Amino acid sequence: GENVEQHPSTLSVQEGDSAVIKCTYSDSASNYFPWYKQELGKRPQLITDIRSNVGEKKDQRIAVALNKTAKHFSLHITETQPEDSAVYFCAAQAAGNKLTFGGGTRVLVKP
Amino acid sequence: KAGVTQTPRYLIKTRGQQVTLSCSPISGHRSVSWYQQTPGQGLQFLFEYFSETQRNKGNFPGRFSGRQFSNSRSEMNVSTLELGDSALYLCASSPGRTGPYGYTFGSGTRLTVV
Repeated sequence: GENVEQHPSTLSVQEGDSAVIKCTYSDSASNYFPWYKQELGKRPQLITDIRSNVGEKKDQRIAVALNKTAKHFSLHITETQPEDSAVYFCAAQAAGNKLTFGGGTRVLVKP
Repeated sequence: KAGVTQTPRYLIKTRGQQVTLSCSPISGHRSVSWYQQTPGQGLQFLFEYFSETQRNKGNFPGRFSGRQFSNSRSEMNVSTLELGDSALYLCASSPGRTGPYGYTFGSGTRLTVV
């Protein structure tokens, strides 16, 4: 089955700096790669996603990139703010299959 | 429109007991997936139901079971509870048709086994 690895497990950045989280996946059939943000005590919420027919996507301060050949994808948050502090999960899915999550990255943005 | 509703929000059970958790998906969504979240293990997939049928299954023991009703509401049952079953149980709904689509999560049920 699919296996998703996520790095780093924790990330501390200064407010205004960028944060980068990287994930690798194993199943070449996976074609959908969402990212979720989970604030303390809350549910995971979808913040962005990318499909296999797209190499990168940017929406304001959040950008995602996908390299299907290398089977890795990444999340970039620019100009970080204290409200970006949360746990971020990457995930991978093939049509009809379960959504498999990475282990999560705890991001701390220091004012 | 209403989001994903999970009940109850909190549960305390004793070892050996059984428990049933409920999940009502977003209106129109036909797929419900269940995940177990623990601090050390992240989000572990339990199973997915689509149109009342289990479509995918994770690597959990048979004590964990589920079902889905014709209105797409889903229940998850854990029998013979163990201390290690203490976790946040999240359900997520998606349209379930040819996709894939992003999941919308409920707020979860926090189960404590004592």
